[in-house]
Amino acid sequence: SQTIHQWPATLVQPVGSPLSLECTVEGTSNPNLYWYRQAAGRGLQLLFYSVGIGQISSEVPQNLSASRPQDRQFILSSKKLLLSDSGFYLCAWRRTGGDEGYTFGSGTRLTVV
Amino acid sequence: SQQGEEDPQALSIQEGENATMNCSYKTSINNLQWYRQNSGRGLVHLILIRSNEREKHSGRLRVTLDTSKKSSSLLITASRAADTASYFCATAGSGTYKYIFGTGTRLKVLA
Repeated sequence: SQTIHQWPATLVQPVGSPLSLECTVEGTSNPNLYWYRQAAGRGLQLLFYSVGIGQISSEVPQNLSASRPQDRQFILSSKKLLLSDSGFYLCAWRRTGGDEGYTFGSGTRLTVV
Repeated sequence: SQQGEEDPQALSIQEGENATMNCSYKTSINNLQWYRQNSGRGLVHLILIRSNEREKHSGRLRVTLDTSKKSSSLLITASRAADTASYFCATAGSGTYKYIFGTGTRLKVLA
C-alpha cells in the first residue's frame, strides 16, 4: 500500500533562518507531488507541484522553493524565512494520469519567530 | 485565486441531525472532491464526483453536483460527534494536475 511521510511535525524557526521540509512517498512510482500551505483557519493554497523528477511548477511567487531530487521525494525550502512564512504545510500525492483524490501527509506546523 | 467557496463557513448541529455544506466554483471542472480535516491534521479524501455525475453516495455521505450552477453540496446524515471537523471542496479543470481548494466549512457536532 502507498504511504506518505512528512516531517518534522512541528518547527519553530527564527526569522532569516533557512528551511527544509521533506516529504517522501512509498509504494508507488512517478507520483504527482504537491506542497500546500494553510494559514490558520483558512483554506489551502497551492505552492508547488511536480509531475516528475526535476520538474517543478510554482503557483505563487514567494520566499519558498521546491525540489524533487528523486522520484518519490519532494522538498520545500527557503534560504531566509519571513514571519509571513508561518503556517501549516501539507504535502500530498496522487497517481499520475488519474483523477483520484490526493493523499495528504500529516503536515508540518511552522512558526517563524 | 480561490476556485471553491464553501458555505456556510461554520455549522453547529446536534448529534443525529443532518449537516449540509455547499461549495461554489468559478470555472469548468473535470471533477470535484470533498475532503475532511480534523484539527491540526492532514486532509482525508472523502468522495469524488465527476462532471458527468449528478449524485454520489458513500456511507452516510451524499454529494450532489450541479454544473449549470457551478455548485456542489455535501450531506452528512445522522451526524456523530466524531464528524466534527473542517470540510473542504476541491476542483480540478480538465487536463490540469492541480486541485484548488475552497475555504472550508467548520462543522461542530454536539453530543
